[in-house]
Amino acid sequence: SQQGEEDPQALSIQEGENATMNCSYKTSINNLQWYRQNSGRGLVHLILIRSNEREKHSGRLRVTLDTSKKSSSLLITASRAADTASYFCAPANTGANSKLTFGKGITLSVRP
Amino acid sequence: GAVVSQHPSWVICKSGTSVKIECRSLDFQATTMFWYRQFPKQSLMLMATSNEGSKATYEQGVEKDKFLINHASLTLSTLTVTSAHPEDSSFYICSAPPGNSNQPQHFGDGTRLSIL
Repeated sequence: SQQGEEDPQALSIQEGENATMNCSYKTSINNLQWYRQNSGRGLVHLILIRSNEREKHSGRLRVTLDTSKKSSSLLITASRAADTASYFCAPANTGANSKLTFGKGITLSVRP
Repeated sequence: GAVVSQHPSWVICKSGTSVKIECRSLDFQATTMFWYRQFPKQSLMLMATSNEGSKATYEQGVEKDKFLINHASLTLSTLTVTSAHPEDSSFYICSAPPGNSNQPQHFGDGTRLSIL
């Protein structure tokens, strides 16, 4: 398995602003998954984007994938204080039971 | 709703005690489950892969005699921290892939382990 490298490590924005988080990886993938972790809790799945997809939306979330650059981005529009959390990307190789490894994540703080 | 249930969510015990953590897939069968450990303000570190009906696969540096894993059924994996010491205090999280390569993994809500 390979881990994603998230950037920036920390992001602080005002409520209502957009938050853009980036992820890079090294080798080819089957899909890439974004997760959120609230303090002291487990991971919550946000979006899975397949290697043949370029963009995916879910509510206020937009994920893009550029396999040529081996990078992905997660955009949260109109952020809310409740979006304050750590965000992780997880590139997944082929195989239904492929293990996921995680980078340091991005700590997002949304100020009310 | 939660599809992976982890129990207990929080445990405090004395040094030398063995602690068992359960991870259950609620509405799907999981031949594989994963166990992670997370120290404060750090990322999740994969400890081991739990395989139903066979031995677990441990990541480098993880003591298999310290962290016993049993995956006796298609819906339950357990992690036992044997003779726990304060340095084992951490947040332990399990996950289960749904068996479809284009479906996300489901994570438990974690177990906060504090060893006094």
